[in-house]
Amino acid sequence: KQEVTQIPAALSVPEGENLVLNCSFTDSAIYNLQWFRQDPGKGLTSLLLIQSSQREQTSGRLNASLDKSSGRSTLYIAASQPGDSATYLCAVLYNTDKLIFGTGTRLQVFP
Amino acid sequence: ETGVTQSPTHLIKTRGQQVTLRCSSQSGHNTVSWYQQALGQGPQFIFQYYREEENGRGNFPPRFSGLQFPNYSSELNVNALELDDSALYLCASSLGAGPLAEQYFGPGTRLTVT
Repeated sequence: KQEVTQIPAALSVPEGENLVLNCSFTDSAIYNLQWFRQDPGKGLTSLLLIQSSQREQTSGRLNASLDKSSGRSTLYIAASQPGDSATYLCAVLYNTDKLIFGTGTRLQVFP
Repeated sequence: ETGVTQSPTHLIKTRGQQVTLRCSSQSGHNTVSWYQQALGQGPQFIFQYYREEENGRGNFPPRFSGLQFPNYSSELNVNALELDDSALYLCASSLGAGPLAEQYFGPGTRLTVT
């Protein structure tokens, strides 16, 4: 069964810290992996998309890595800010028709 | 913002009723996928439409059905609503259905079934 797991489920850090969110997937035959941000009760905002042939992607303070062989991805957030508080979802595309999501990491950054 | 819109934003229905949710794709996108997100969970794939044809379906019963129109907008219909259908329903549009087609999500419709 193709599953995506995210650890930790929740994280609370002081402003300015660098942090790492983890995502693991059971089947390494992925097409791509995507990280999303979701604010409470809102839709999903795409942060980074990594194709299966890539090892990492960067956007501003965000860096996502992909290790297909170990079935893992990490999202690194540098110099966290209160505005980064949200739920972060990892999603994997196995077939061409559906994304499989993890249950998310709920991040709170306090001043 | 992605350019994907959904309506309505919120909806309250009674168990046994039927509901229709709507999604307008980002300009130029010909593929729409629907997801159900229960509280505290990640989104679950319902189905995808590509050029007006169903192009894949998740583990949802037949009372969940959909349509895609020539302008690529889409509807999700749910019959015989159950309490467990209460969730945030998200649609995502993309250009094509292949692995390079990044999906762009709308803001969602919050459905409450009482």
